[in-house]
Amino acid sequence: SAVISQKPSRDICQRGTSLTIQCQVDSQVTMMFWYRQQPGQSLTLIATANQGSEATYESGFVIDKFPISRPNLTFSTLTVSNMSPEDSSIYLCSVNGRNQETQYFGPGTRLLVL
Amino acid sequence: ILNVEQSPQSLHVQEGDSTNFTCSFPSSNFYALHWYRWETAKSPEALFVMTLNGDEKKKGRISATLNTKEGYSYLYIKGSQPEDSATYLCALYYGGSQGNLIFGKGTKLSVKP
Repeated sequence: SAVISQKPSRDICQRGTSLTIQCQVDSQVTMMFWYRQQPGQSLTLIATANQGSEATYESGFVIDKFPISRPNLTFSTLTVSNMSPEDSSIYLCSVNGRNQETQYFGPGTRLLVL
Repeated sequence: ILNVEQSPQSLHVQEGDSTNFTCSFPSSNFYALHWYRWETAKSPEALFVMTLNGDEKKKGRISATLNTKEGYSYLYIKGSQPEDSATYLCALYYGGSQGNLIFGKGTKLSVKP
């Protein structure tokens, strides 16, 4: 299994500002994933962060809004840029299990944008 | 886009009651079906990974079945306890290198002592 931590655990932000969320894994992994869950909605994949290359974004998500860094094999950041109230969500990072049959998740970052 | 439907949206039971909820999907063209348990302020925790039609998995008082022909999976909890209170998520995994999971909205279970 993998142990994943995220910072911050929660935040309240003003619209128009940006927030960077950090994700740390206790082992080296090739891919890290960023999800969000808007209120009443499903967990939805934002992007896949690969070390040494640009992140791959899912339909409906763009790099200008959600820039991602992946400086090494145990760490990634997701920035939520120019926030609006619609960005209020839980943001989670995850990694694949060893045989890719399951995923391990961080505890999430609960973001409220006023 | 494949929709994963979970029902009910929320469920309130008394301690000791047994309960079950459903994950349904329109197509069986996936690699695996996952069940996760997500307690507030904690990480989603993997419960089961199911791949074959007719699969049955069990962990303590919790069990799950998969019927790919009819497009559903059931999660059962026998003798619910307050610590079972959580949101239970169903997700489909399409394999490959990307590891994209398609999630349902979850079933929120509250168990009253």
